[in-house]
Amino acid sequence: ETGVTQTPRHLVMGMTNKKSLKCEQHLGHNAMYWYKQSAKKPLELMFVYSLEERVENNSVPSRFSPECPNSSHLFLHLHTLQPEDSALYLCASSQDPGRGVLHFGNGTRLTVT
Amino acid sequence: DQQVKQNSPSLSVQEGRISILNCDYTNSMFDYFLWYKKYPAEGPTFLISISSIKDKNEDGRFTVFLNKSAKHLSLHIVPSQPGDSAVYFCAGSITGTASKLTFGTGTRLQVTL
Repeated sequence: ETGVTQTPRHLVMGMTNKKSLKCEQHLGHNAMYWYKQSAKKPLELMFVYSLEERVENNSVPSRFSPECPNSSHLFLHLHTLQPEDSALYLCASSQDPGRGVLHFGNGTRLTVT
Repeated sequence: DQQVKQNSPSLSVQEGRISILNCDYTNSMFDYFLWYKKYPAEGPTFLISISSIKDKNEDGRFTVFLNKSAKHLSLHIVPSQPGDSAVYFCAGSITGTASKLTFGTGTRLQVTL
């Protein structure tokens, strides 16, 4: 399998649930990212991991908790989310340092009820 | 402060004609610009890029033009094809910093028969 794979593709969760999003890249990249895409807004960078170290936390609420156990895997742990957190969550990878050519997964469509 | 702006949320073009998508930026630190294309239910895919030291880059039917003095870039698609119908995102990047990729809100292109 090649590219960036995200699971699940769709997730519906209640505000009191705990769930995790998973991302796996098979491109040999050393940087991984979580982005959030809400309707009519730019893609918002949430977290960046470079060489398995978190290098950016873009003022994301603590109810989102990333984990990068190795350079190929990235998780986003979710707990006590709000309805406004409903969005498309995209994982991406790249070679760092680089010029921002990111390779994205197909995303997880999250609905918080 | 939105550093990358795509002021046209949508564009409709006839098959075979030229599509021109525009993007403006405010951050003078950007030294690399990228265009991504996104189909529904898929992640964005890298399309074409341009370095700030150039004013034009061409790849097949796709050409990106950069006007640094105006802080403006544009993507030309000639000839447009129905398969080009997608959302196009412009992004600015600062080389060497994994997290410094800033996206616009996107322009939805529809190529009609």
